[in-house]
Amino acid sequence: DAKTTQPNSMESNEEEPVHLPCNHSTISGTDYIHWYRQLPSQGPEYVIHGLTSNVNNRMASLAIAEDRKSSTLILHRATLRDAAVYYCILRDVFAGGTSYGKLTFGQGTILTVHP
Amino acid sequence: DGGITQSPKYLFRKEGQNVTLSCEQNLNHDAMYWYRQDPGQGLRLIYYSQIVNDFQKGDIAEGYSVSREKKESFPLTVTSAQKNPTAFYLCASSIGGTANNEQFFGPGTRLTVL
Repeated sequence: DAKTTQPNSMESNEEEPVHLPCNHSTISGTDYIHWYRQLPSQGPEYVIHGLTSNVNNRMASLAIAEDRKSSTLILHRATLRDAAVYYCILRDVFAGGTSYGKLTFGQGTILTVHP
Repeated sequence: DGGITQSPKYLFRKEGQNVTLSCEQNLNHDAMYWYRQDPGQGLRLIYYSQIVNDFQKGDIAEGYSVSREKKESFPLTVTSAQKNPTAFYLCASSIGGTANNEQFFGPGTRLTVL
């Protein structure tokens, strides 16, 4: 599986934008870029995913570099409820066998939001 | 409301006892998954099921067993053969297992073996 690299932690102030980076220099052409987040003592929550083009949804935006070797999750106005661990995950379209549907979680980025 | 439920939220068992964790979904999803999370770590896949009456081992299946007799249910049994069973267990489901599908997670069960 292609690997991702994220900063261990980031901090933000409430109501300010947050840009969470992810490097995936070994990404293949068939890897989707997924983002999940996990609040303390809860199950992970899907945030957004994309393949090549930038994506927007009600929670966040995903900016994908032209060479796809990096991406950035953008929270437009951070709230205290956005404090969580954010995971950047690559999922291969053609994954099969024991990789079927699997989400491979790394360490993620711990986001702290200050009031 | 559609979603995934896991019960109980906290579970305590004595060493050497088998224990079964419940996972139910009413999202009409075909695929279901069990993950394990240890403190400060990411999730690791235990078992997954693509469809009723079928399931496959994930990366850390030793000491665990599952069944998938109904589409909405995917219980996980932690057996006495699992050497370090204390962990946070998460169940998930998705429409299918392709890379373009999101997974929906339950609230988790925190198992402590005394």
